[in-house]
Amino acid sequence: NAGVTQTPKFRVLKTGQSMTLLCAQDMNHEYMYWYRQDPGMGLRLIHYSVGEGTTAKGEVPDGYNVSRLKKQNFLLGLESAAPSQTSVYFCASSYWGGQPQHFGDGTRLSIL
Amino acid sequence: QQPVQSPQAVILREGEDAVINCSSSKALYSVHWYRQKHGEAPVFLMILLKGGEQKGHEKISASFNEKKQQSSLYLTASQLSYSGTYFCGTERSGGGADGLTFGKGTHLIIQP
Repeated sequence: NAGVTQTPKFRVLKTGQSMTLLCAQDMNHEYMYWYRQDPGMGLRLIHYSVGEGTTAKGEVPDGYNVSRLKKQNFLLGLESAAPSQTSVYFCASSYWGGQPQHFGDGTRLSIL
Repeated sequence: QQPVQSPQAVILREGEDAVINCSSSKALYSVHWYRQKHGEAPVFLMILLKGGEQKGHEKISASFNEKKQQSSLYLTASQLSYSGTYFCGTERSGGGADGLTFGKGTHLIIQP
């Protein structure tokens, strides 16, 4: 039982490049979330999904897109990476809204 | 709006007690508490619901004052393993419709 798996774990991009972060959960959770964590800022919600085929904006959605084509997967895309998007990205899932969230190990992304 | 956590950091000797506070200017439905060790994913501790009772397990407990929109996390007879950053996440409406808004965290260092 892997829980929440994020790939890749590390990535370095150049400004303007695009990439997709993958989050997969095997707990049959309905809700999935993407957060970014910057020093001194805590965890900030980027986008979330309340079920397969749904997405919603969180606190800091600009510059990111998401898709939830399958219940177990939640993808975070950066279309044109900017240095301000250098961060640690965490994916989380929960059985339902308001329930405990289970986090992946994070993706450390650097934009040069 | 991001909840405010206090203190920002605290250093204790093993066996001492600590209190971490989380305050919001908006009415809350629930408060979630997580602990994150350096380089790791946040781990769920407990949820306090509006109208619910004080929660706790082992030597970690928490309360939720609905009138003040404030939650407090109590760590009793702290152990070295309690070191880490503690985050509160707040929910303004039930069912997870808005996701969680996290505070900036409280760094707790337990010294032998």
